[in-house]
Amino acid sequence: NAGVTQTPKFQVLKTGQSMTLQCAQDMNHNSMYWYRQDPGMGLRLIYYSASEGTTDKGEVPNGYNVSRLNKREFSLRLESAAPSQTSVYFCASSQDRLNNQPQHFGDGTRLSIL
Amino acid sequence: QKEVEQNSGPLSVPEGAIASLNCTYSDRGSQSFFWYRQYSGKSPELIMSIYSNGDKEDGRFTAQLNKASQYVSLLIRDSQPSDSATYLCAVTTGNTPLVFGKGTRLSVIA
Repeated sequence: NAGVTQTPKFQVLKTGQSMTLQCAQDMNHNSMYWYRQDPGMGLRLIYYSASEGTTDKGEVPNGYNVSRLNKREFSLRLESAAPSQTSVYFCASSQDRLNNQPQHFGDGTRLSIL
Repeated sequence: QKEVEQNSGPLSVPEGAIASLNCTYSDRGSQSFFWYRQYSGKSPELIMSIYSNGDKEDGRFTAQLNKASQYVSLLIRDSQPSDSATYLCAVTTGNTPLVFGKGTRLSVIA
């Protein structure tokens, strides 16, 4: 029972490099989310996808792009990584954001930008 | 800007005591409320959800909601060292994604 799977778990990049973080869920959920978590800042929403084929900006979208590849998969891309993007990234999914359902989180990707 | 406020702590309680964690929110249209537990270096884990005023109990956990005063709380009875973690409050109107508080760090002292 995998739930939400994120890859990779750890990554070190140099400034200016690009990177795609992968997320897949096996719970048949409609909605998927990308968060970053920094010390003292809590969880901040980067982008979300309410349903397959749609994506929307969250609180901190600058420097990121997303793709909802299909119902299961939602990827996050850093086109030109910056040290300010060093963070822990969490992917989450929920049955449907309009039905007040809770989100279920993956284990996270710890990303360092040098 | 929708806000969810939590005391960052740390909140220290002795083993066996009741831990009380509080959360206030700004959007009066909020309908759904969740508590997540996050151990250091791990991902958030859902422990309670509450949708209507009053108390909801699940084992040693009780969530309390007061929409008129715009606060939600989490009580942990018979606190154990294994309850030491950061507790995140999350709120939604149902039309927007969850808004998370920054979390309260709980330390249960054996």
